[in-house]
Amino acid sequence: GAGVSQSPSNKVTEKGKDVELRCDPISGHTALYWYRQSLGQGLEFLIYFQGNSAPDKSGLPSDRFSAERTGGSVSTLTIQRTQQEDSAVYLCASSLTRTGGNTIYFGEGSWLTVV
Amino acid sequence: AQSVTQLGSHVSVSEGALVLLRCNYSSSVPPYLFWYVQYPNQGLQLLLKYTTGATLVKGINGFEAEFKKSETSFHLTKPSAHMSDAAEYFCAVSGGSARQLTFGSGTQLTVLP
Repeated sequence: GAGVSQSPSNKVTEKGKDVELRCDPISGHTALYWYRQSLGQGLEFLIYFQGNSAPDKSGLPSDRFSAERTGGSVSTLTIQRTQQEDSAVYLCASSLTRTGGNTIYFGEGSWLTVV
Repeated sequence: AQSVTQLGSHVSVSEGALVLLRCNYSSSVPPYLFWYVQYPNQGLQLLLKYTTGATLVKGINGFEAEFKKSETSFHLTKPSAHMSDAAEYFCAVSGGSARQLTFGSGTQLTVLP
């Protein structure tokens, strides 16, 4: 696609429910990233994929968070047993390769509210 | 490990005045440096980046930034602010084995009429 596409754009869920957030990166981009942006906070790195493998999961805040990527394209971020502190904007991004100087392109984000 | 410090979480300037947003980084390897802008309820858009070569980098919307290794800085400037520049600006660093961007905490720019 022309840009990084994320869905849903907005999600309200009850505490304790599971949620899935989807990211469709720019076609041909091998590197994919998930970040979290909380109110009043900066951008927090969650996980990075190169192809279908995740060499860096260091940012996942707890074992309730997981992510996968299939076919070297679409990625899903899953949050199990959501808590109110999970409320944030989840941003997906992609880049052509994992080379550090490559531009990382961001999607518009999935706004998650846990009530 | 890499880190970014953005001085001033909020900056206000008058329309037509100089915009200066400060960014200092820490990196044990030669850094790649980026400035992103985020408009309300939108994702991040790249303004400019420094990888190698010329240390003065020009970006979109009249913004530019200068990489100063001796000062570990990458400040963002624009000679004349426009109302449409009001947004949040993020400085970020990557490099070496770090494939992801490490972001600063952001600076909210307000442009006063």
